[in-house]
Amino acid sequence: QQQVRQSPQSLTVWEGETAILNCSYENSAFDYFPWYQQFPGEGPALLISILSVSDKKEDGRFTIFFNKREKKLSLHIADSQPGDSATYFCAVTNSAGNKLTFGIGTRVLVRP
Amino acid sequence: EAAVTQSPRSKVAVTGGKVTLSCHQTNNHDYMYWYRQDTGHGLRLIHYSYVADSTEKGDIPDGYKASRPSQENFSLILELASLSQTAVYFCASALSAETLYFGSGTRLTVL
Repeated sequence: QQQVRQSPQSLTVWEGETAILNCSYENSAFDYFPWYQQFPGEGPALLISILSVSDKKEDGRFTIFFNKREKKLSLHIADSQPGDSATYFCAVTNSAGNKLTFGIGTRVLVRP
Repeated sequence: EAAVTQSPRSKVAVTGGKVTLSCHQTNNHDYMYWYRQDTGHGLRLIHYSYVADSTEKGDIPDGYKASRPSQENFSLILELASLSQTAVYFCASALSAETLYFGSGTRLTVL
């Protein structure tokens, strides 16, 4: 059973546009939702995260919107830059808080 | 300076052979993890550990063993490598599962 679903699998936007990445999850007990960014040839790195008590989290050009009732969240990348081209993973922490389950990722390409 | 170091960076192994992937961290973290990455599957957890000399099974442990001889070191062992184990393997360390710090990965090709 896939606990975390991401869409689309790939996304191309022009420089300056807003990229929107979607994520949904199965277990309503999940309460911490990090997004990781991965550049080619590197390991993933934490980009931004949100707790289920919040419905929005901003960090510069990156914003998470969270809908607990629908068990969905999205990552918005405003004013996309070519340097944002990477794969983005949505993840959830299990109830014990000792492991992270990732979605399959969304590959984002920002064209100049 | 990289705080999570994986070795080797890449390896070619033969089917049925034994493969050991190594990970060393200088973050002083209790948690360490092994994930594999494949196209279409994202990152999947193989084994993890929260204390030296103890390991836990992740979501896809079959065909893999793990060893945590010290807080700093965590190894992934493939006793009988198979073609299906061709992937990129990532090690990570963490104080808690909220923030993982990943190494640069090991690309394993099994022929």
